[in-house]
Amino acid sequence: AQSVTQLGSHVSVSEGALVLLRCNYSSSVPPYLFWYVQYPNQGLQLLLKYTSAATLVKGINGFEAEFKKSETSFHLTKPSAHMSDAAEYFCAVIRSGSARQLTFGSGTQLTVLP
Amino acid sequence: EPEVTQTPSHQVTQMGQEVILRCVPISNHLYFYWYRQILGQKVEFLVSFYNNEISEKSEIFDDQFSVERPDGSNFTLKIRSTKLEDSAMYFCASSGTSGSRETQYFGPGTRLLVL
Repeated sequence: AQSVTQLGSHVSVSEGALVLLRCNYSSSVPPYLFWYVQYPNQGLQLLLKYTSAATLVKGINGFEAEFKKSETSFHLTKPSAHMSDAAEYFCAVIRSGSARQLTFGSGTQLTVLP
Repeated sequence: EPEVTQTPSHQVTQMGQEVILRCVPISNHLYFYWYRQILGQKVEFLVSFYNNEISEKSEIFDDQFSVERPDGSNFTLKIRSTKLEDSAMYFCASSGTSGSRETQYFGPGTRLLVL
């Protein structure tokens, strides 16, 4: 079964610093990949998705992610962190075939320090 | 912008009681889903629903769970006899049909506490 691994359950960055949240997927076939964000006491909001159209995907709030097949990675980045970026971030994969279920990573809690 | 809504936002129930969690998916979507997130754990898939039937379910979705689309707008998750371990945040999601992997849009969740 396809899965995603998020390295680092907690990441802290200073305001204005680069944000890098790591996600690796396990699949021999490039899957559909997503990043979702969950703010405290809220639901899951889609940040961006990869659907094989372009390897560099731009999302909302200045985030982007690059699909690297050779590294089976889909890391999320933002050049300059803002205090409002503090949240939990989930990488998710949906496998090819008829199933549509999302398989989520364990999440990365991002803390932004003033 | 269209969004998925869920009611109630919080529900407290006694073990063994039945609960029904309600969702209103985005109006032109045809695929519906339930996920849950136990505190401190991953978001887990429960079930997907299309054309008035379950299209896929996980091992979590046992006989205690059922889903229904009772009318043209609501999508419900019923837990017949709740257990302590059913305490979790339950998310509803919906997606359209254009493309084979249409994006799933999530509701704000219902926090269920079983005492």
